Amino acid sequence: GENVEQHPSTLSVQEGDSAVIKCTYSDSASNYFPWYKQELGKGPQLIIDIRSNVGEKKDQRIAVTLNKTAKHFSLHITETQPEDSAVYFCAARGGNNRLAFGKGNQVVVIP
Amino acid sequence: EAGVAQSPRYKIIEKRQSVAFWCNPISGHATLYWYQQILGQGPKLLIQFQNNGVVDDSQLPKDRFSAERLKGVDSTLKIQPAKLEDSAVYLCASSLDGYTGELFFGEGSRLTVL
Repeated sequence: GENVEQHPSTLSVQEGDSAVIKCTYSDSASNYFPWYKQELGKGPQLIIDIRSNVGEKKDQRIAVTLNKTAKHFSLHITETQPEDSAVYFCAARGGNNRLAFGKGNQVVVIP
Repeated sequence: EAGVAQSPRYKIIEKRQSVAFWCNPISGHATLYWYQQILGQGPKLLIQFQNNGVVDDSQLPKDRFSAERLKGVDSTLKIQPAKLEDSAVYLCASSLDGYTGELFFGEGSRLTVL
C-alpha cells in the first residue's frame, strides 16, 4: 500500500516568515494529494489539495507543489500567523483508492 | 450545514471491556470512514462504507473491532474486548462519494484503555 512520510516533525517559525513542509510518497499510481490541518481537540480539516495532473496550486497564503517524478509534494505557508500553529498532515490516495496519511508536522508560529 | 457528529467525546475503560462509538455523517454523504489516530501519528483507516456496504476493511482488526452502517446513514464502531494499544482517538469522516475530494472529519472520540 501507499506509504507517506513527512519532514520535519516539528517546525518553529517567526510570525511573518514562511513555513515549508515536505512529504514523500511511495505509490506511483497515487493521484490525489491533500493537506489537512488539525487543531488541538479537533478533527483534521482540509486546507488545500492537488491532483496529479497539476504541478502547483495556490490559495491565498497557502500553496502546494507536486513533483511526480521524485514522488514528493510540499506545503508552503507564507506570512505565517499565530493561528497557523497546528499539526499538518499530508496524505496521498494510492492505487487502492485508500487515503494514506503521514505522521504529521507540528508547526509553531512564534509571535 | 451541520458537520460530522460523534459521541462520546471521551471514554475511559479497563482492558477487556467493550466500548461503542457513534457517528452521524453530513447529510447526503454516501461515504463514511472510521479512522484510528494514535497519539503522535496520522489517522489510519479502519473501515470505509459506501452507503451501507463495506468498501475497505482490510486494516480493521476483525477479532475485536466491528462496525456497521445499517441504514446507510449513521454508524457504530465497537471494540470488544479492548486492549491497552487501542487507546487512541477514533475519528469518523464522511465524503460525498468516496472517490473525489474532501473528507469531513468529526471531532473524534478519545478512548483510554487502562
